[in-house]
Amino acid sequence: GQQLNQSPQSMFIQEGEDVSMNCTSSSIFNTWLWYKQDPGEGPVLLIALYKAGELTSNGRLTAQFGITRKDSFLNISASIPSDVGIYFCAGLNSGGSNYKLTFGKGTLLTVNP
Amino acid sequence: DGGITQSPKYLFRKEGQNVTLSCEQNLNHDAMYWYRQDPGQGLRLIYYSQIVNDFQKGDIAEGYSVSREKKESFPLTVTSAQKNPTAFYLCASSMSANTGELFFGEGSRLTVL
Repeated sequence: GQQLNQSPQSMFIQEGEDVSMNCTSSSIFNTWLWYKQDPGEGPVLLIALYKAGELTSNGRLTAQFGITRKDSFLNISASIPSDVGIYFCAGLNSGGSNYKLTFGKGTLLTVNP
Repeated sequence: DGGITQSPKYLFRKEGQNVTLSCEQNLNHDAMYWYRQDPGQGLRLIYYSQIVNDFQKGDIAEGYSVSREKKESFPLTVTSAQKNPTAFYLCASSMSANTGELFFGEGSRLTVL
C-alpha cells in the first residue's frame, strides 16, 4: 500500500526558532494536508494543498505541495510554546468508490520556553 | 455548536468483552471514519462510511464492526476477536468521501485489563 515517510520523527527547539518538517512518498497524491494533534485530543486540520507547486500560508505556518506531487513540507516560523504537539502529513487519492487518505507517522514537536 | 462527539473518553474492559464506542456528529457530513492511533504508528483506518447504510473496511478492520443506520451516528464495536485492542480511537467526519478535510472527535482511550 501507499506509505508516507515523515521526518523528522521528533524535534526539540527553543521558543522563537523556525521549524521545518516534510513528507515524501513513492506514490503521487492529488491532495496534501497537514494536521496538528494536541496531547489527548483529536487532530485538527492546519493546511490543505490541492495543486502541484502550490504554496499556502496560515499565519506562521507555510506549506507547499511538491512539484512532483510526491512530497510536501510544512514550516513554522517564530515558534511559541503552544506549537507543541504532533504534526501529521496526509496524502489523498480520491475518485471512484475507493477512498484512500494516507497519514504519515507524525513529527513530535517540543518547544522550550 | 456544531461538532463531532465521541464517548466515552476513557474505557476499561476485561479481555473477552465486546465494547462499543460512540461517535455522533451534527455537521450534516455524509462521510464518517474510525481511526486507531498507537504510539509512533500514526493513524490507521479501521472503517469508513461514505453515506448512511453503507460502510467499507479500512486497513485494519479485523476484530472491529460498525453500523451506519443514521447519518449522525457511526458507532464502533471492538470485539473480543481484536487481539490487541488497547489504543486511542479517533472518529472523524467530512462533507464527502472525496476530501481529506476531516473533522476529528476528541478520541476514546480503550484499555484492556
